[in-house]
Amino acid sequence: NAGVMQNPRHLVRRRGQEARLRCSPMKGHSHVYWYRQLPEEGLKFMVYLQKENIIDESGMPKERFSAEFPKEGPSILRIQQVVRGDSAAYFCASSSAGAGNTIYFGEGSWLTVV
Amino acid sequence: EDKVVQSPLSLVVHEGDTVTLNCSYEVTNFRSLLWYKQEKKAPTFLFMLTSSGIEKKSGRLSSILDKKELSSILNITATQTGDSAIYLCAVESAGGTSYGKLTFGQGTILTVHP
Repeated sequence: NAGVMQNPRHLVRRRGQEARLRCSPMKGHSHVYWYRQLPEEGLKFMVYLQKENIIDESGMPKERFSAEFPKEGPSILRIQQVVRGDSAAYFCASSSAGAGNTIYFGEGSWLTVV
Repeated sequence: EDKVVQSPLSLVVHEGDTVTLNCSYEVTNFRSLLWYKQEKKAPTFLFMLTSSGIEKKSGRLSSILDKKELSSILNITATQTGDSAIYLCAVESAGGTSYGKLTFGQGTILTVHP
């Protein structure tokens, strides 16, 4: 299966801990996007990355959240000092080029903060 | 700020019925409109629409874009219980540097009873 792979699928963290979510894009895709889906809400754009570059992070909370897409390895979404409001599904998506190409989603990482 | 609104928010039908889901948008630099189906996991790509008035069709599903009215509809004929899902409409905008940033609507929850 050459789809967008995310792990972990489910993650439970206590308040104040760190959460790291990983995403491997589809084979041949170099553009990665992270979206968040809060309970009862639609998907919201967080960040768009290409290899070693953050292109647009306008949807990222200003504090505690960071993202990277290194030259080698998966993209990482890191949430420091998690709070209950961070509980959500975090979806990664990828495309072969930024605009005008179909964007495919992974199955999501479901973060629960207790 | 880009905005996508879907209606109805939820819909309950019986197998065999035909449904029409609506999506309207306000986007500064429109590039494309996409429909996804979400069943408690990854949003699954259905259609990408870029040209007004051209119907995209896949089996019992079809969709059309009206750029003049800034809207799109998704039709599902002869519905089946397997069509039960959240249907997401998203609009891709072209920013200063083109990229595939998607703005999602809140989704339509479709429930098909046997």
